[in-house]
Amino acid sequence: AQSVTQPDIHITVSEGASLELRCNYSYGATPYLFWYVQSPGQGLQLLLKYFSGDTLVQGIKGFEAEFKRSQSSFNLRKPSVHWSDAAEYFCAVGQYNNNDMRFGAGTRLTVKP
Amino acid sequence: EAGVVQSPRYKIIEKKQPVAFWCNPISGHNTLYWYRQNLGQGPELLIRYENEEAVDDSQLPKDRFSAERLKGVDSTLKIQPAELGDSAVYLCASSQDGGSYNEQFFGPGTRLTVL
Repeated sequence: AQSVTQPDIHITVSEGASLELRCNYSYGATPYLFWYVQSPGQGLQLLLKYFSGDTLVQGIKGFEAEFKRSQSSFNLRKPSVHWSDAAEYFCAVGQYNNNDMRFGAGTRLTVKP
Repeated sequence: EAGVVQSPRYKIIEKKQPVAFWCNPISGHNTLYWYRQNLGQGPELLIRYENEEAVDDSQLPKDRFSAERLKGVDSTLKIQPAELGDSAVYLCASSQDGGSYNEQFFGPGTRLTVL
C-alpha cells in the first residue's frame, strides 16, 4: 500500500522568503500526488496535483511542486511566502480509480513578519 | 456554488454517549467520503460512498461506528457509544465520481471532544 512521509512537522520562514516543504512517498506504480492546505478551522483545499506529464506542476496561490521519481519525492515550493500562507500543508498519494488516498502527517507553516 | 456543508462544527460529549455528524455534499457529486483526522495527523478514510452504496468501509470500526447515505445525497456518521479515543476532527468530502483523478472537496469538519 502507498504511504507518505512529511519529514518536517513545523517550519518557520520569514515573509518574503522562499519555501520548500518536503514530501516522500512509497508506491510501486506511478502515483497520483497531491498537496492540500488546511487553515485553522477550515477544510482541506487542493493546491495542486500530479498525474502524469510535466514533472513541474503549477498550482494555486503561487505554489508549485516537482515530481522526482528517482527520489520518490514531490516537494512543494513557493518563491516568496506571504503571511496568509501560514497553515497546515498535507501531501497525499493515491491511485487512479482507487480512492485509497493516503495523507502525510502534515507540515505546519509559520510565517514571521 | 455552496461547498460541502457539515454540522455541527463542534461537539462535546461524555464517553459512552452517542453522537452523530451530518454532511451535505456539493450538488451533483456522486461520491462522498468520511475521514477522521486525529490531532497532528493527516486525514484517514473511514468510508466512501458511490451514490447510496458504501463501496469502501474497510477502515470503519463497525462495532461502534455506522454511516448511511439515504437517497445518495446527504450522509450521517454515527458513533455509539463514543470512547475517549474518538476525539478527533471528522471531515466529509465529495467528488463528482470516484477515482483519484477527481478532486475531492472537503467540508470544514466537525471537531469532536469526548470527555
